[in-house]
Amino acid sequence: GNSVTQMEGPVTLSEEAFLTINCTYTATGYPSLFWYVQYPGEGLQLLLKATKADDKGSNKGFEATYRKETTSFHLEKGSVQVSDSAVYFCALTLSGGSYIPTFGRGTSLIVHP
Amino acid sequence: KAGVTQTPRYLIKTRGQQVTLSCSPISGHRSVSWYQQTPGQGLQFLFEYFSETQRNKGNFPGRFSGRQFSNSRSEMNVSTLELGDSALYLCASAGGTGGYYEQYFGPGTRLTVT
Repeated sequence: GNSVTQMEGPVTLSEEAFLTINCTYTATGYPSLFWYVQYPGEGLQLLLKATKADDKGSNKGFEATYRKETTSFHLEKGSVQVSDSAVYFCALTLSGGSYIPTFGRGTSLIVHP
Repeated sequence: KAGVTQTPRYLIKTRGQQVTLSCSPISGHRSVSWYQQTPGQGLQFLFEYFSETQRNKGNFPGRFSGRQFSNSRSEMNVSTLELGDSALYLCASAGGTGGYYEQYFGPGTRLTVT
């Protein structure tokens, strides 16, 4: 079946530090990959996406590259801010499938001033 | 364009009672999905409705049910509440310019069962 594995959190960083949150996946077929973010007290928001191998999704300073050879979609940001503190979810959907995303467990990010 | 709205935002119920949660999708979105989010189990898919028909279903007991109306608004119902049903219930809509692969989430309904 399909699955998404994310690194355990919380990830605790100081402001302006470099962020990496690892995400690997298992999928039957050709998935599209997503990162969603959930700020405290809110629902999930789509942060970025990539629909085919070697695509790079980017938004708000965050980037992730679809690596088919390593089945990974790691999230990176060069300089985090306190306002980036949130829970980040990696997800996949399959082309021609049910459209329902398979989500990872989420990784909590805490950024200190 | 207004986002996905969910009502109520907070609910406290007693074991054995039933509850109905409501979701209004983004205008033009025909797909509405429901998720349960808990610290222990993470984000779990309940069901998806499209054009008033349940199109996909997760692995939840029959106490969890839903429906969709002709205007795409959706409700989910949980009967005979258990303590373990305490969770954040998220609704998501899809079907806009991003297609059905991009889901847009509401803020959730926080259900506490005592």
